Amino acid sequence: GQSLEQPSEVTAVEGAIVQINCTYQTSGFYGLSWYQQHDGGAPTFLSYNALDGLEETGRFSSFLSRSDSYGYLLLQELQMKDSASYFCAALYGGATNKLIFGTGTLLAVQP
Amino acid sequence: NAGVTQTPKFRVLKTGQSMTLLCAQDMNHEYMYWYRQDPGMGLRLIHYSVGEGTTAKGEVPDGYNVSRLKKQNFLLGLESAAPSQTSVYFCASVEAGGADTQYFGPGTRLTVL
Repeated sequence: GQSLEQPSEVTAVEGAIVQINCTYQTSGFYGLSWYQQHDGGAPTFLSYNALDGLEETGRFSSFLSRSDSYGYLLLQELQMKDSASYFCAALYGGATNKLIFGTGTLLAVQP
Repeated sequence: NAGVTQTPKFRVLKTGQSMTLLCAQDMNHEYMYWYRQDPGMGLRLIHYSVGEGTTAKGEVPDGYNVSRLKKQNFLLGLESAAPSQTSVYFCASVEAGGADTQYFGPGTRLTVL
């Protein structure tokens, strides 16, 4: 089946750097997205990688290695407001643009 | 633009009752999706649509039906609600061929007693 693995929880302190890893099934894979969700809110898009390498958007970066079926989200200069759940989502079957989500990583940023 | 809106925001049903959740988007997006989110299980795709008049099954379609009679609306129906359908339901939309960003609605919290 199409499933994604990511850690359930990560804790870090303000100002630090944290990396959230995600592994996925390769069959039919097109690309990897990352979404942020604050408690009780809707998921919001952070980034998308279709090609190998690093994509940088401000304090957040996302990386993909298709040969390793692996990606990660890197958050730098952590702020308290970054405390949220982070989901990786793999795009399968490009014509239908179907996203399969991981179970999410709960990031707790401490002072 | 309002983006993606969902109606209602909250609902409590008794087992066996029926209801329809409405998702509306004003971005002229072709593709629309219904997900459910349960604690510790992330978002799971229920049904989706790649255009007006088309629908397809996702990962967990049983117990749900959908319709896309108008491009801007995607309806999710529960014909006979069960406690296992207690969840938060999110709708999302994306431009055709837009392989990256899905825009999510605020969610509907449904409790089935």
